[in-house]
Amino acid sequence: QVQLQESGPGLVKPSQTLSLTCSVSGGSISSASYYWSWIRQPAGKGLEWIGRIYSSGSTNHNPSLKSRVTISVDTSKNQVFLELSSVTAADTAVYYCAGERSGSYYNRAVYYFDYWGQGSLVTVSS
Amino acid sequence: DIQMTQSPSSLSASVGDRVTITCRASQSISLYLNWYQHNPGKAPKLLIYAASTLETGAPSRFSGSGSGTDFTLTISSLQRDDFATYYCQQSYSMPRTFGQGTKVEIK
Repeated sequence: QVQLQESGPGLVKPSQTLSLTCSVSGGSISSASYYWSWIRQPAGKGLEWIGRIYSSGSTNHNPSLKSRVTISVDTSKNQVFLELSSVTAADTAVYYCAGERSGSYYNRAVYYFDYWGQGSLVTVSS
Repeated sequence: DIQMTQSPSSLSASVGDRVTITCRASQSISLYLNWYQHNPGKAPKLLIYAASTLETGAPSRFSGSGSGTDFTLTISSLQRDDFATYYCQQSYSMPRTFGQGTKVEIK
């Protein structure tokens, strides 16, 4: 059973860089069928997709955050990393790591998040 | 970006009730629509992918339908474990986007 666990500081000062790690166990981060995403949820709000990475290092980002986001991977450690620079209070949220599977449906490639971490609360405050 | 709009935002229902949640996309997304269940403090759980395919291990009382821009999640007989927030999500294009959520509460 694949498990994801987010870790990192729970408190970050405004203008600094938020850094989180997602550790994947029970499966390989190099699986050909998976992309690894970061998703966040501010208190009382919905889910916002931040971006994703493939084990090769290829990335996609949400344009709303693109200039501030860096997502990277260490396949030897089975870990994915998120860095979000120049944070403000608006970046306070629960941050989730998720595995997006590339599956098949009647010969079409379909994508869905079937593995999720429990989430890591990050508060931006001085 | 494709906007996903869910309705209602919240609903109250009793155990045994049939519950329907709708999700509308701002443009056609074919069948690239997924549904998730989320309880506070827990990891979201995939229920339905490709609009109507039940994820392995998800209870059969959950079903999904629709294509194009209009989709529905139905819970045929609400159970206590089902009181949660439900999200739709499109995987048609980047960036991935979610609906704002529908909170199902106990009546």
